[in-house]
Amino acid sequence: GQNIDQPTEMTATEGAIVQINCTYQTSGFNGLFWYQQHAGEAPTFLSYNVLDGLEEKGRFSSFLSRSKGYSYLLLKELQMKDSASYLCAVEDGNTGKLIFGQGTTLQVKP
Amino acid sequence: GAVVSQHPSRVICKSGTSVKIECRSLDFQATTMFWYRQFPKQSLMLMATSNEGSKATYEQGVEKDKFLINHASLTLSTLTVTSAHPEDSSFYICSAIPHYNTEAFFGQGTRLTVV
Repeated sequence: GQNIDQPTEMTATEGAIVQINCTYQTSGFNGLFWYQQHAGEAPTFLSYNVLDGLEEKGRFSSFLSRSKGYSYLLLKELQMKDSASYLCAVEDGNTGKLIFGQGTTLQVKP
Repeated sequence: GAVVSQHPSRVICKSGTSVKIECRSLDFQATTMFWYRQFPKQSLMLMATSNEGSKATYEQGVEKDKFLINHASLTLSTLTVTSAHPEDSSFYICSAIPHYNTEAFFGQGTRLTVV
């Protein structure tokens, strides 16, 4: 079966750092994606991890541990525009499908 | 990056009618496209996998006779919501993965409201 868990909501302050965790249990694993989604819009790609370790891309970093079934998305120097939903998605190695977590709604406050 | 275009972006229809949503890959060929549904404040739920030239694969609990999928070409998949009811009101999103990439590209989404 497939199970992907993320916190439902998080709040952080502008300029601060926030870490959004994602744990997963899937029957097959090809890689893990993080997407950002603003209300009423389609998701936009943030990162893709297939090997263990940290991938850094500007203010955003993503970490993966395959043995622990764990990933996190790290957002630095938070800006008000970062208020959005962040979706963790696992690519099933057997089917190629993307299985999404429930998403974490991040609210950035001044 | 690759572009996926979805049309229409918003549609309001009467209960009992059918609505067709188009998903096009503009600058790449996609043998497989995915259709998702997203209810308010919830995540994307995979409905079906659309395969060019063959029948779509539906996820458990998704009625294939209600949600008709046609993938007639390498750049176009359509989702038709038949005999729509108010509970079908949702945000429908398609995605496609170019053969040269692992990243899924999403359409803009379609907000369906059934009245």
